[in-house]
Amino acid sequence: EVQLLESGGGLVQPGGSLRLSCAASGFTFSSYAMSWVRQAPGKGLEWVSAISGSGGSTYYADSVKGRFTISRDNSKNTLYLQMNSLRAEDTAVYYCAKDRNPELWFPTHFDYWGQGTLVTVSS
Amino acid sequence: QSALTQPASVSGSPGQSITISCTGTSSDVGGYNYVSWYQQHPGKAPKLMIYDVSNRPSGVSNRFSGSKSGNTASLTISGLQAEDEADYYCSSYTSSSTLEFGGGTKLTVL
Repeated sequence: EVQLLESGGGLVQPGGSLRLSCAASGFTFSSYAMSWVRQAPGKGLEWVSAISGSGGSTYYADSVKGRFTISRDNSKNTLYLQMNSLRAEDTAVYYCAKDRNPELWFPTHFDYWGQGTLVTVSS
Repeated sequence: QSALTQPASVSGSPGQSITISCTGTSSDVGGYNYVSWYQQHPGKAPKLMIYDVSNRPSGVSNRFSGSKSGNTASLTISGLQAEDEADYYCSSYTSSSTLEFGGGTKLTVL
């Protein structure tokens, strides 16, 4: 059974940093691109970042480029999102999501999602 | 403002059919077949309902179908059921190697 378990969320002040983790199990982690998707309270979904299965290719939304860094440790089956220079508008539930197609290295569609971890940026 | 445009809300009675549109450009919806649809119930993670424009993952009811014409993709739900009431989001791969979501559509089953 595929499982994705996010952790690392919490309350942080504007300008601060936070690192999210997503522990994956139930599939060959290194074969699939992974993404982070966020959802601000009461708002829609926003794709944040993606990384290829090997970790060699990374992709970012303009809203986080230069502030967030996605990475993965395939030996630990874990996905990460390092978030720096956080702003109030980064407040959201952050989901990690598994791409459906093992043959693609860029984000397309997500067949499994974690339960999400809440990040609140406030003073 | 989302890059993909969806109606904010749609409604229908049980047993009826509804269609949700998702309009983009030739740089996203119109240029690739990587269009997906997700269903999200309150407080839950999204669920993949349609991928590659018109394919259903295993376990998704055949009452859900997807299509695309030009820069507009559509999700049709036939034989509406109370459990279909949820938010629906489209998404598309883009020419910038990013992914975009639509703003979401709230489906109300009357």
